[in-house]
Amino acid sequence: EDQVTQSPEALRLQEGESSSLNCSYTVSGLRGLFWYRQDPGKGPEFLFTLYSAGEEKEKERLKATLTKKESFLHITAPKPEDSATYLCAVQGIQTGANNLFFGTGTRLTVIP
Amino acid sequence: DAGITQSPRYKITETGRQVTLMCHQTWSHSYMFWYRQDLGHGLRLIYYSAAADITDKGEVPDGYVVSRSKTENFPLTLESATRSQTSVYFCASRTTGSSGNTIYFGEGSWLTVV
Repeated sequence: EDQVTQSPEALRLQEGESSSLNCSYTVSGLRGLFWYRQDPGKGPEFLFTLYSAGEEKEKERLKATLTKKESFLHITAPKPEDSATYLCAVQGIQTGANNLFFGTGTRLTVIP
Repeated sequence: DAGITQSPRYKITETGRQVTLMCHQTWSHSYMFWYRQDLGHGLRLIYYSAAADITDKGEVPDGYVVSRSKTENFPLTLESATRSQTSVYFCASRTTGSSGNTIYFGEGSWLTVV
């Protein structure tokens, strides 16, 4: 069964203090790994898709990386507006493109 | 670009009542989805639809009914609401082909069953 575990559950950073969020996954065959950002009271907002080990994607202060067992979301010099819950999800080859298995998220708070 | 619109955004209903959550998308995406989000759980798939008149169960379909008579609409009905169906419901959609498998979400419908 596909599984996703995110750590830590919550993270508080000072503005400018870089850190990483972890997403460990178990899947029969990886079709894609997705990162979303979710603000309170809103739907998940798509950030990145990674398809194979070694792949990296960047957007502003965020950089996502992928290995065969986990993905990291690196946040460089975060700002208060980066505060949100970050969700990781996987699509497995067996379950196909019609389901994402989500982790429970990492709640990031960036303090000015 | 409206994307996905859900209604109502907030609803309180009583146990045993029928409730329908509406979802409308303006992208003409083939696939549409309903997820629920609960504390301690990741988002979980309830039902999805590959096209008009084609629907299939997801991970947690019990107690829910869906229909898709038009490509742009995908309503979710709770035929007899229970307290365990108190949750946040997200409608989503994705395109097919070379654009990839990214699923895009609406803003959510908060449902409380009392």
